[in-house]
Amino acid sequence: DAGVTQSPTHLIKTRGQQVTLRCSPKSGHDTVSWYQQALGQGPQFIFQYYEEEERQRGNFPDRFSGHQFPNYSSELNVNALLLGDSALYLCASASSDRGRHEQYFGPGTRLTVT
Amino acid sequence: DAKTTQPPSMDCAEGRAANLPCNHSTISGNEYVYWYRQIHSQGPQYIIHGLKNNETNEMASLIITEDRKSSTLILPHATLRDTAVYYCIVKGNTGKLIFGQGTTLQVKP
Repeated sequence: DAGVTQSPTHLIKTRGQQVTLRCSPKSGHDTVSWYQQALGQGPQFIFQYYEEEERQRGNFPDRFSGHQFPNYSSELNVNALLLGDSALYLCASASSDRGRHEQYFGPGTRLTVT
Repeated sequence: DAKTTQPPSMDCAEGRAANLPCNHSTISGNEYVYWYRQIHSQGPQYIIHGLKNNETNEMASLIITEDRKSSTLILPHATLRDTAVYYCIVKGNTGKLIFGQGTTLQVKP
């Protein structure tokens, strides 16, 4: 059973460019959340997708957008990249089953903006 | 979601129990206590969670005080591979996890 997978593992972009990161949830999971982790900090919640809709959003600008597909996979898009967007981007999946609490994280995508 | 307070760092000898404390004095009745850990450059890993009863799984035990204002994660026999940042998180019905700075646990030989 594959866990949460993310692609690519590393990415280098230039200021002003746009980037798309991808996530496949753990088998059986239907909810996907995205987090940003700057160096030396804990992960910060960006948003969560369920049933192809953004259900919750953290304190991130509109440059950060996402999408969830019918197969529950998800994309994170960041437009007009800033140097401060350099971070590890983590995807976490979970089940909407009320009895299931844990979120499973992928290995992350390391984004460097130059 | 309630805020948590953890010591920034702790050391533990290999083979000994590691006891990681967490204060969550503003926890609400429907909020759970979760523990995750993050080994360097990897995604966080779920360890355990609880509401008010003590919990144990193959990785750890979670002891929650009767007033639920604090908890302790116990790794019964710490190994070098348990060296990581440990996050204590209080979460209600919202989907998001709010990570603090966590406790950096260094297991020493």
